[in-house]
Amino acid sequence: EVQLVESGGGLIQPGGSLRLSCAASGFTVSSNYMTWVRQPPGKGLEWVSVIYSGGSTYYADSVRGRFTISRDNSKNTLYLQMNSLRAEDTAVYYCARVRFYDGKSLDPWGQGTLVTVSS
Amino acid sequence: SYELTQPPSVSVSPGQTASITCSGDELGDRYPCWYQQKPGQSPVLLIYQDTKRPSGIPARFSASNSGNTATLTISGTQAMDEADYYCQAWDSSTDWVFGGGTKLTVL
Repeated sequence: EVQLVESGGGLIQPGGSLRLSCAASGFTVSSNYMTWVRQPPGKGLEWVSVIYSGGSTYYADSVRGRFTISRDNSKNTLYLQMNSLRAEDTAVYYCARVRFYDGKSLDPWGQGTLVTVSS
Repeated sequence: SYELTQPPSVSVSPGQTASITCSGDELGDRYPCWYQQKPGQSPVLLIYQDTKRPSGIPARFSASNSGNTATLTISGTQAMDEADYYCQAWDSSTDWVFGGGTKLTVL
């Protein structure tokens, strides 16, 4: 079964750092484009970052320079390193696989992990 | 930057047909997708590449796309279809773009 399981969320003070993990099963992370999407409480979905199978990385303007996407091929796991966190980064963070040949649709999604940035 | 616009809410009676629109510049050329998100759950891919349904998605979900508007249609709407629905397209400058979401209420 193809599955993604996120972890690493929690309460963090403004300016702090957090690393999210997304463990994959049923497929190989390094052979796919993988992405992070976030959803602030009660609001819509916002794309955050993508890592291509070749290793190229891209970011939304709102997080560029503060967040870093990476992967560990030996662990089949995707990461999101978040630094200089702000209150507006508070959201549920989802990882998702990109179905490159299906209109770059996202499937599956993980269950999400909540990041709360507050003092 | 590229933007997608959805109505905030749509209401439908059980058994009737619900239509949710998504508007964006030249959306007809961008192969939009649709996702369903129920309260407290992760989004689920409903439609990809304009009109295709992943395995396991009921046939009552369909979609069309032309010009600047894509439409998700739910035929014979059921109470279990009450959820938020998001359209999404890919743009070379802004990557994955989502609409603001539409809350479907089954009255």
